[in-house]
Amino acid sequence: DAMVIQNPRYQVTQFGKPVTLSCSQTLNHNVMYWYQQKSSQAPKLLFHYYDKDFNNEADTPDNFQSRRPNTSFCFLDIRSPGLGDAAMYLCATSRGDNEQFFGPGTRLTVL
Amino acid sequence: LAKTTQPISMDSYEGQEVNITCSHNNIATNDYITWYQQFPSQGPRFIIQGYKTKVTNEVASLFIPADRKSSTLSLPRVSLSDTAVYYCLVGDYKLSFGAGTTVTVRA
Repeated sequence: DAMVIQNPRYQVTQFGKPVTLSCSQTLNHNVMYWYQQKSSQAPKLLFHYYDKDFNNEADTPDNFQSRRPNTSFCFLDIRSPGLGDAAMYLCATSRGDNEQFFGPGTRLTVL
Repeated sequence: LAKTTQPISMDSYEGQEVNITCSHNNIATNDYITWYQQFPSQGPRFIIQGYKTKVTNEVASLFIPADRKSSTLSLPRVSLSDTAVYYCLVGDYKLSFGAGTTVTVRA
């Protein structure tokens, strides 16, 4: 089945130690998104790629970066994780419309 | 992005119809209205989308009045497994999630 895959599902890192989260899709969608969702809060859009064009949200900290080497893969890099970055990170894809397909998420713990 | 307002929570019982109304007073001409469902520790799941009037699929119905300043998601005959957070979103391909409505279905 076509889907959005996130690896790992659970990630533990240390304060200040860089971490990379991975997302892949078999839907061949041209838009890929990264969201951060903290406990009991709504998902918050960090950035998205429309094809190869990177679009950063104005309030996304510089600590968060992203790479999209090809259509299928997108990575979220957190350069120096702080305790406040502990959250669920959700990857989603779309064809450029409102119907986004979400992965299961990666839960990040920062020690 | 248009701001949306919806109730924080709603309680219901199995077999009842649940209607969640969302207001979006500053919706733009090109904006679509989309609803998502989210269970704990899972990513949101698309439920339904509409532009105007009524849309129905196998899961829900979406009612949109002519002025498009609000919309109502209708979940027919809910079951315990419909307990979730429901988000109303307005926009194009870039969506901004509001607080959502926590729907609790009781036996």
